[in-house]
Amino acid sequence: DFQMTQSPSSLSASVGDRVTITCRASQSISTYLNWYQHKPGKAPKLLIYAASSLQSGVPSRFSGSGSGTDFTLTISSLQPEDFATYYCQQSYITPPYTFGQGTKLEIK
Amino acid sequence: QVQLQESGPGLVRPSETLSLTCTVSGGSISGSYWSWIRQPPGKGLEWIGYIYYSGNTNYNPSLRSRLTLSIDTSKKEFSLKLSSVTAADTAVYYCAKLTIQSRSHFFEYWGQGTLVTVSS
Repeated sequence: DFQMTQSPSSLSASVGDRVTITCRASQSISTYLNWYQHKPGKAPKLLIYAASSLQSGVPSRFSGSGSGTDFTLTISSLQPEDFATYYCQQSYITPPYTFGQGTKLEIK
Repeated sequence: QVQLQESGPGLVRPSETLSLTCTVSGGSISGSYWSWIRQPPGKGLEWIGYIYYSGNTNYNPSLRSRLTLSIDTSKKEFSLKLSSVTAADTAVYYCAKLTIQSRSHFFEYWGQGTLVTVSS
């Protein structure tokens, strides 16, 4: 069974910190990996597509990297509005599109 | 900027059919793919399926036997029907615009979601 695994599941950090979230695929997905930010009661927001392309309007402190099975989302300097849950999603092996289980980023 | 809004009953009885509609504004419904995604309480995101503006569909195999997606381009709406629901179908349901660039497929715009509870 194909799986997407995010780590960590939760993370505490402070404003100004550099944060890295990892997503691992159970088999190679090339660079067909996207990242989303989700705040409670809000619509999820696309941050990064195709592993490293920044969606229009997303601050440059967000970046993505990786290929094959291992991917990272990095926030270079955390801002108060960045505390949210982050999800990765693959589009190489479909159907179905699959998401990671999420990483909840909390204020330390 | 495309905006999406889900609508439909918040409570559905077990064994009945869950029906939701998503209204698109701020852009054309034609020429694009439209999708449904859900999130059960305390769990992660699950892709349900998508429909192309022409009516072609692609469903999650785990839901295919119970799922019907449809689209009405004149009303700028697309809809979901999930039959024979159980408590496991309780979730926040999101509609989203699926953008396809080569083999890169991503959900570019999302609605805010609507909670559907399956309970008697």
